[in-house]
Amino acid sequence: DQQVKQNSPSLSVQEGRISILNCDYTNSMFDYFLWYKKYPAEGPTFLISISSIKDKNEDGRFTVFLNKSAKHLSLHIVPSQPGDSAVYFCAASDDAGNNRKLIWGLGTSLAVNP
Amino acid sequence: GAVVSQHPSWVICKSGTSVKIECRSLDFQATTMFWYRQFPKQSLMLMATSNEGSKATYEQGVEKDKFLINHASLTLSTLTVTSAHPEDSSFYICSASFGAEKLFFGSGTQLSVL
Repeated sequence: DQQVKQNSPSLSVQEGRISILNCDYTNSMFDYFLWYKKYPAEGPTFLISISSIKDKNEDGRFTVFLNKSAKHLSLHIVPSQPGDSAVYFCAASDDAGNNRKLIWGLGTSLAVNP
Repeated sequence: GAVVSQHPSWVICKSGTSVKIECRSLDFQATTMFWYRQFPKQSLMLMATSNEGSKATYEQGVEKDKFLINHASLTLSTLTVTSAHPEDSSFYICSASFGAEKLFFGSGTQLSVL
């Protein structure tokens, strides 16, 4: 059973517009959420995270929103740039300590068109 | 950001042979490394957590005698797939823990067992 779901396998956005990537989860014990970006032939790289005590975290063009009641989080990229084209993974953890065990979604492939 | 080198990138082997995959943290000391596996159209799944100088902790359903993990130093962990069979064909990826939150990933190894 997929505990972290990214229901959109792909998303296409025009450069300069907003990209919204969605992620749903089923385990109410998850207390930490992360987004990773992956380019072809490379490993995932950390992008942004959010703790369950917050509902928003912003870092430059990237903002993650968390709706605990809906068990839903989203990643907003504004404005989108062609270099943002990559696969984005949502991951969740119920281990608030170090060395987190992450549960991953399947990823959403984002294409930002010039 | 921190660099994790994983080698080889891909390997093709005959059934029954053993394959070793190396994961090195190049510019930091990683007290903990993680090994993941990803089958086609499935999410990354944690196989085991390896701490330097101690035995690895395996996730449920992962055979420790088949997937041997050695973490002999703070910069190197190896995963050996012993007596590989076609069902072991998968994408294997390591990550190294740096600090409380961040994981840095290798680029992955695609294993194909004939």
